[in-house]
Amino acid sequence: EPEVTQTPSHQVTQMGQEVILRCVPISNHLYFYWYRQILGQKVEFLVSFYNNEISEKSEIFDDQFSVERPDGSNFTLKIRSTKLEDSAMYFCASNLQSSYNEQFFGPGTRLTVL
Amino acid sequence: AQSVTQLDSQVPVFEEAPVELRCNYSSSVSVYLFWYVQYPNQGLQLLLKYLSGSTLVKGINGFEAEFNKSQTSFHLRKPSVHISDTAEYFCAVSVTFGNEKLTFGTGTRLTIIP
Repeated sequence: EPEVTQTPSHQVTQMGQEVILRCVPISNHLYFYWYRQILGQKVEFLVSFYNNEISEKSEIFDDQFSVERPDGSNFTLKIRSTKLEDSAMYFCASNLQSSYNEQFFGPGTRLTVL
Repeated sequence: AQSVTQLDSQVPVFEEAPVELRCNYSSSVSVYLFWYVQYPNQGLQLLLKYLSGSTLVKGINGFEAEFNKSQTSFHLRKPSVHISDTAEYFCAVSVTFGNEKLTFGTGTRLTIIP
């Protein structure tokens, strides 16, 4: 069964460093999303991406964040200069264009900023 | 904007007993409703969804949920739980047009007592 994959599963970085989180969505999906979950808190929307551009972004998704689909399979989230409060689980999701908005989630990347 | 409230952060239940996890939502427009489950150290998996039609929807693993428009609720139920149901359960909503972001509740941790 097709699934969304994410790498790495866990990343530790120093404050101020750049990180890139990688996702491989399900191959025929057209809509892509990033969410994050700070420990003990709710899952929060960051950004959605369709047709090679951002469809919507939340207040969290400031200038330090960017997304890219560099080729036909990967979808990346970059944080330019990480802060302690960026420590969270980051989930990628994808969705086949449909009326039903059924998003499929990856297993997540746990980002720890020291 | 949409919001989701899950009043119960933790629910302990004896094995083979019934369970209900509560979810209430707020929205000024029509919404789709979802329940996702997160097993330890895994991503989010769709349990069930309400799009339209019958207000009682059945999902995987014997779970079902009932949409109540007048009470703006979408409670999740299972008549007899198993140890393997131990997980975090998230209620989520999205608007019915486009492939929009999901708005999640804070989650309910279901613990099954042997």
